[in-house]
Amino acid sequence: AQKVTQAQTEISVVEKEDVTLDCVYETRDTTYYLFWYKQPPSGELVFLIRRNSFDEQNEISGRYSWNFQKSTSSFNFTITASQVVDSAVYFCALSEVQTGANNLFFGTGTRLTVIP
Amino acid sequence: EPEVTQTPSHQVTQMGQEVILRCVPISNHLYFYWYRQILGQKVEFLVSFYNNEISEKSEIFDDQFSVERPDGSNFTLKIRSTKLEDSAMYFCASSESRRRGNQPQHFGDGTRLSIL
Repeated sequence: AQKVTQAQTEISVVEKEDVTLDCVYETRDTTYYLFWYKQPPSGELVFLIRRNSFDEQNEISGRYSWNFQKSTSSFNFTITASQVVDSAVYFCALSEVQTGANNLFFGTGTRLTVIP
Repeated sequence: EPEVTQTPSHQVTQMGQEVILRCVPISNHLYFYWYRQILGQKVEFLVSFYNNEISEKSEIFDDQFSVERPDGSNFTLKIRSTKLEDSAMYFCASSESRRRGNQPQHFGDGTRLSIL
């Protein structure tokens, strides 16, 4: 069965520090997709990134970067030079392909607080 | 940028009443979803919908729930005989492609449902 674990419940950093949010997943599918979503205090879910299981290239987008390691079933998310606006709950999610389902399985989220 | 819109943003209903949550997915999207987030908890999949029928549904999506696409633009979630434990944020999402898991799901801002 699929599972997404975000062991860090809450993280606090001081502005301009780097922070890494961990995500570990379990799936029996060999083809799957991983996602990160941001949920700011206003409550909406904002899509950040999608990564498929065949693409282990790390990705950088501005201050965001993602490290996908299939060998350890991890898909970690790093914010460099954090800003107060980064304060939010961040969810990692998994979508399996071979099971035929397209729904997302979310982790429990990590609440990031950036202190000015 | 096109977005998923949900109405109302907040719905207060007496226990036992029926409630209908409305969503307008992104216009060229083919897959539609409902998710639920109980306060402080993770986002949970309820149901996916494609080609005017349910594709997948979770254990949460029992006979109390139903979905409908009454016209070309709206996608609704009906909850019959609401219970206190139905209080949650309900998110609608849509995705573009027929290729499962390939396209990110874009979420609306959510409807906060409060059952009294």
